[in-house]
Formats: sequence, C-alpha cells, structure tokens
Amino acid sequence: DAKTTQPPSMDCAEGRAANLPCNHSTISGNEYVYWYRQIHSQGPQYIIHGLKNNETNEMASLIITEDRKSSTLILPHATLRDTAVYYCISHTGNQFYFGTGTSLTVIP
Amino acid sequence: NAGVTQTPKFRILKIGQSMTLQCTQDMNHNYMYWYRQDPGMGLKLIYYSVGAGITDKGEVPNGYNVSRSTTEDFPLRLELAAPSQTSVYFCASSPLYRGGLRVVNSPLHFGNGTRLTVT
Repeated sequence: DAKTTQPPSMDCAEGRAANLPCNHSTISGNEYVYWYRQIHSQGPQYIIHGLKNNETNEMASLIITEDRKSSTLILPHATLRDTAVYYCISHTGNQFYFGTGTSLTVIP
Repeated sequence: NAGVTQTPKFRILKIGQSMTLQCTQDMNHNYMYWYRQDPGMGLKLIYYSVGAGITDKGEVPNGYNVSRSTTEDFPLRLELAAPSQTSVYFCASSPLYRGGLRVVNSPLHFGNGTRLTVT
C-alpha cells in the first residue's frame, strides 16, 4: 500500500472552504484513496473515496490529480463541527493503513 | 442495525493480566479489523480477518491474538498485558459482497473503541 503524507495541522474560518491536501506519490494503479475523519476519540468516520475521477457526496468533494500522486479533500462550507483529525489513506485488497492525519481546526 | 459494537468501553489492567476485547457486527460483513491508537498518533493495524476461520497479521501484532469463529465476532486477546499496550483499540468491518455482487472497495465501519490502561 502507498504511504500517504499530510500536513499535521490546518486552520479554516467557519463558513469558508477547507482544502486538505494529501500526497500519495507511490500509489499504484489499483489503489483507491480514502478519506476518514475522527472527532475527539470516537471511531473514525468515512467521508469519501476515489480512484482517479473526482468525487462528490453530501459531505465533501475529492479532487485527485491526473497523475494520482496527490489529492485534496474539500469541505465546501466548514462548520465548527468539522473540527477533527482527517486521515487520507490508500487501500487495495484487504488492508487499510492510516497515517497521523491533519488536525483541522475550524475557527469561529 | 447496531453496526460495530465493542465491549468494554474502558478497562484498567495490571501488568501480566490477560483480557479479551470483544467486537461484534450485525451487518454480515466479511472483513474485520483491529486497530490501536496511541495518544496523538494515527491508527495502527494489529490483525485483520477476511472471513470466519481466516486471520492475518497487520503492522503491530506482537502481544495479541485473534480468532474468527463466526462472521459476527472478532475478539482480540491480550495474554500478558504490558504498559506498552495502553491505548485505544478500535474494531472495524467492511463488506465483501453487497446486493449479491462482490465489492472491490468498500469503506470501513468503526466501533466506538475500548480505552485500555495497563499499570
């Protein structure tokens, strides 16, 4: 599985878009990129995933570069409840490996 | 569906004691996983299972054992607890099939964790 790297922390103003980057330069052709978030010490919550096309759901959008070496998770209108640690992981087969994630703080 | 249920929520063990962390899911998922999360760190994969009777090691399996006798249950056993095993433990599951079709990729569903302290 590809190793992913993320900035350790970011701030975002409430109501603005939060753009969380992730590098996965060693990703292979059949590895999906997944995003999860963890609020306080709860179990991680699934947000979105994609292979090579951009994806959007009710929570967020996922933009994957054409070479698939990086991606960006976009929370279009961040709220205080979006304050959490966000994990970008790659997955193929049976195993998911988490890094240390990005701690996002949404500021009022 | 209750989803993924973990028990207990909290536990304090003395060094050398043993215990079993319970995990059960009611979604008929084939895949199940155990992760641990140390303070300020990401999740590390301990063991996983692709179905009843099949288990495999993850990144940090030493000091743990698992079994998978049924689709629903995936208990994690600590035989000789050590302070280094103080952590929050998360169980997760994901499906192999959905609507009768094999699922190539499906997200994990997590339980709410067991907070274990070994002193």
